[in-house]
Amino acid sequence: KQEVTQIPAALSVPEGENLVLNCSFTDSAIYNLQWFRQDPGKGLTSLLLIQSSQREQTSGRLNASLDKSSGRSTLYIAASQPGDSATYLCAVRLGTSGSRLTFGEGTQLTVNP
Amino acid sequence: KAGVTQTPRYLIKTRGQQVTLSCSPISGHRSVSWYQQTPGQGLQFLFEYFSETQRNKGNFPGRFSGRQFSNSRSEMNVSTLELGDSALYLCASSLGFRTGDYGYTFGSGTRLTVV
Repeated sequence: KQEVTQIPAALSVPEGENLVLNCSFTDSAIYNLQWFRQDPGKGLTSLLLIQSSQREQTSGRLNASLDKSSGRSTLYIAASQPGDSATYLCAVRLGTSGSRLTFGEGTQLTVNP
Repeated sequence: KAGVTQTPRYLIKTRGQQVTLSCSPISGHRSVSWYQQTPGQGLQFLFEYFSETQRNKGNFPGRFSGRQFSNSRSEMNVSTLELGDSALYLCASSLGFRTGDYGYTFGSGTRLTVV
């Protein structure tokens, strides 16, 4: 059974800091991995999608990496802003599970002005 | 283009009642998945539909059911509601079953409160 773990559970940083969120998964036979952002009481906003054959993806100040062999992904946020405050979730899709996503518990990020 | 639309946004029901939630996927998307989000369990997969057929099902009791229509719109139904069914129900759409290249787009969710 695929398990996804995110560390840390919560993170508070001053504005302008670069930060890294971590995601680990137990089954390396993944199809892809997707990072999402969730604001309180809202749905999920997709940030980055990494296919199993890729090592990283970038979008603006965000960079996500994938290391299948070690079962890890990181989300790097450069020059953090108060508007980045949200819960960040990683989700893994196994190649054998159809479209089912397995989510981590999330990292709650607070960026202080 | 329009995103994934879920209705209603908020719902309050009494224990024992049943409820139907609706999800309209992005135009052209044929796969719809449903997830339940609670503070204790996080995000858990309910089921997935593609071409009006349930393709995958999570570990939820039979009180949770769904269907998909020919226009790809999907509904999920929960019968005999329990207090523990209070959650944010999220719908996600994708281009197609097993097509992972484009990832999943989620709706804003339906907040169900059972009293």
